[in-house]
Amino acid sequence: NAGVTQTPKFQVLKTGQSMTLQCAQDMNHEYMSWYRQDPGMGLRLIHYSVGAGITDQGEVPNGYNVSRSTTEDFPLRLLSAAPSQTSVYFCASSLKPEGYEQYFGPGTRLTVT
Amino acid sequence: TQLLEQSPQFLSIQEGENLTVYCNSSSVFSSLQWYRQEPGEGPVLLVTVVTGGEVKKLKRLTFQFGDARKDSSLHITAAQPGDTGLYLCAGARGGADGLTFGKGTHLIIQP
Repeated sequence: NAGVTQTPKFQVLKTGQSMTLQCAQDMNHEYMSWYRQDPGMGLRLIHYSVGAGITDQGEVPNGYNVSRSTTEDFPLRLLSAAPSQTSVYFCASSLKPEGYEQYFGPGTRLTVT
Repeated sequence: TQLLEQSPQFLSIQEGENLTVYCNSSSVFSSLQWYRQEPGEGPVLLVTVVTGGEVKKLKRLTFQFGDARKDSSLHITAAQPGDTGLYLCAGARGGADGLTFGKGTHLIIQP
């Protein structure tokens, strides 16, 4: 099993550009989520999904969209990148949202200039 | 609002010393997890504690969940350079919105 995979590993965007961060898991997990990690702020939840076709907002959803058309894939879209979105983004998956191990991807380091 | 406070934020000690990291909250959690993260990688689960007062041991690491399920501690005995990393606690409140993470403790073990 590959676990949770994320692409790209690094990305530089200009303000106003859009892009999609890819996330896939091969463990048949129902629950997937996106976090951003910033110095001094810890991991903050952006969006999550409890199954295909179902998504919801986390703590910091503004400026981001998600969709879950399949169990395996959970892409994160930046609609119009802003410097405040410079961060490291982690995708995670687990069997259930509650009390189960979260498996994290390797992260995408995004810089917006 | 930071629901989980971790302390200390930074800790640098010599190999062989003991240390304790704390994770405190005013909220009750249904379970609490500890993760370890190395530079350039995602967090990896160390342990999940569910019952108030529960103690779990993982080799030289001892994890404790507070009786009221509002706090937790991680104690490392005879720290080694391989223990260096960012330690994160994360609490679950029983909803579908997953985990709330603390800001983490950066631990450096010097040889």
